[in-house]
Amino acid sequence: QQQVKQSPQSLIVQKGGISIINCAYENTAFDYFPWYQQFPGKGPALLIAIRPDVSEKKEGRFTISFNKSAKQFSLHIMDSQPGDSATYFCAASSVGSASKIIFGSGTRLSIRP
Amino acid sequence: DTAVSQTPKYLVTQMGNDKSIKCEQNLGHDTMYWYKQDSKKFLKIMFSYNNKELIINETVPNRFSPKSPDKAHLNLHINSLELGDSAVYFCASSQAGKQYFGPGTRLTVT
Repeated sequence: QQQVKQSPQSLIVQKGGISIINCAYENTAFDYFPWYQQFPGKGPALLIAIRPDVSEKKEGRFTISFNKSAKQFSLHIMDSQPGDSATYFCAASSVGSASKIIFGSGTRLSIRP
Repeated sequence: DTAVSQTPKYLVTQMGNDKSIKCEQNLGHDTMYWYKQDSKKFLKIMFSYNNKELIINETVPNRFSPKSPDKAHLNLHINSLELGDSAVYFCASSQAGKQYFGPGTRLTVT
């Protein structure tokens, strides 16, 4: 019940295309759903996050779509650029608790020029 | 200013040795974590401290011992290192669900 399942494991997208990464969770107590971006040799960095009271959040080229009834959320990267090539992690947590965060298994995204 | 810092960045050592990794955050957060990232990039939480008290202790061998001298520091000591301990270890702090990661320490056990 604590798992967050992420797919695909790896993704190759042409420059200018849309990158889509999907996640599914089981624990309905989760109330915070962030996405982290990790470049090689660096620590993960918070990219964008959403709470379950909204179905979509957009920041620049990055959008989270959230489906509470299906317990799924996804990251869309519009007009994907080579600089977006990184590993992306979805995550879920209950902010009010001891803040244990559950990470997905990660998606290696490569944007081809 | 670096928000979450770790030292050393690289650590190469032999099996059986004891080593420590240090972490400091200047964000004023109460909660800090240690994560292990394996070669497949999977992030696994190891420990979490809130205001110097241990609140999360995942299934980690007791060769790993965290220590928090104050809420800005969380160190990780590893005894009797094994080959399987080779990984990147990340320290993080958090507030309101947002995690701030350090740059990582790449541990290689030979």
